[in-house]
Amino acid sequence: KNQVEQSPQSLIILEGKNCTLQCNYTVSPFSNLRWYKQDTGRGPVSLTIMTFSENTKSNGRYTATLDADTKQSSLHITASQLSDSASYICVVSARDSNYQLIWGAGTKLIIKP
Amino acid sequence: NAGVTQTPKFQVLKTGQSMTLQCAQDMNHNSMYWYRQDPGMGLRLIYYSASEGTTDKGEVPNGYNVSRLNKREFSLRLESAAPSQTSVYFCASSEHGVNEQFFGPGTRLTVL
Repeated sequence: KNQVEQSPQSLIILEGKNCTLQCNYTVSPFSNLRWYKQDTGRGPVSLTIMTFSENTKSNGRYTATLDADTKQSSLHITASQLSDSASYICVVSARDSNYQLIWGAGTKLIIKP
Repeated sequence: NAGVTQTPKFQVLKTGQSMTLQCAQDMNHNSMYWYRQDPGMGLRLIYYSASEGTTDKGEVPNGYNVSRLNKREFSLRLESAAPSQTSVYFCASSEHGVNEQFFGPGTRLTVL
């Protein structure tokens, strides 16, 4: 069964610190992996989309990595800011279905001043 | 550009009542989606429309119907609401299925 699992479920860090969120998936055949940020009470917003051939992709202070062999991805946040407080969701697309994405449950990140 | 808009933002229904959630996008996207989000779970696809004139079932279509009214608008109807349909509903659009999806602000629905 296609699944996406994220860890940790929640994380609290101090402002200015770095953190790394993890994503493991069992989706096959793999097409692409996406990271979304969802602020409380808002819809998700795309951070990155990575295909099979991409190992690393950055978007400002956000850096996503992908290891297609081990089926793992991580999202690294550098020099965290209070506005980074949100849920971060890993989403995987299978090559045989362009429209039905497999969504992780998300990691809830809280940045404390 | 407003992006993806949804109405209403909040709704409370009694069991058995019906309602339609409205969604519109102004990005000239081909594909549109309806998701539900429940606590502790990933978003689940209810229905999608790959292009104007087509609709397909997603992971959890039971109890819902959709209409792709035109390229801009995609509505979700609950014919006879049940407490299990209490959730946050998100509409999204993308140029095509493989592309980035853009989400609306959501509708928070409570069924008593």
